[in-house]
Amino acid sequence: GAVVSQHPSWVICKSGTSVKIECRSLDFQATTMFWYRQFPKQSLMLMATSNEGSKATYEQGVEKDKFLINHASLTLSTLTVTSAHPEDSSFYICSARGHSRTETQYFGPGTRLLVL
Amino acid sequence: GQNIDQPTEMTATEGAIVQINCTYQTSGFNGLFWYQQHAGEAPTFLSYNVLDGLEEKGRFSSFLSRSKGYSYLLLKELQMKDSASYLCAVLDSNYQLIWGAGTKLIIKP
Repeated sequence: GAVVSQHPSWVICKSGTSVKIECRSLDFQATTMFWYRQFPKQSLMLMATSNEGSKATYEQGVEKDKFLINHASLTLSTLTVTSAHPEDSSFYICSARGHSRTETQYFGPGTRLLVL
Repeated sequence: GQNIDQPTEMTATEGAIVQINCTYQTSGFNGLFWYQQHAGEAPTFLSYNVLDGLEEKGRFSSFLSRSKGYSYLLLKELQMKDSASYLCAVLDSNYQLIWGAGTKLIIKP
């Protein structure tokens, strides 16, 4: 299957700082990328969907000014958690999909964020 | 509303066969995915069904009945490494992926 990388895999930061997470599709062009959050022992929660060159579409309850998403190229999307607080500590996972809307979403390995 | 149901947890024995069921009620249907997620890791793709019937891929098979809103994932010759959560997800009419809560599969020796 297709390969999606995510960096960094682990982040520990102080409350109030901003954290940027990168998601890259390594061997295919990702027209659409998705950002998920998963708390321990809970389901995946979709945060936002981004299409290359367009503004991201955020799910209800997700603050777009807090979770900034940029999808500037067909292989890279970034999620910036601005002014992170302890309640933002979670497992953030990106996924990428090719041009067709029925194509498989391939997931990156995830980023664990711990805000102290 | 849209709903996907799958058992919360199942237990099986190493070397045996287990079937994980998934029923769905969604606005439209453009396919059903199964993913495997090991604890602390991201999901990995297992299968995609859009037509009725059984798709076999090694030890894993996935079945779909669109008229019944039903799918199952069949795992044969279970190995300890198959202990994981199995996520069922349906692509609805808006091509949005609707996720089930996942089934935690525990394999015992």
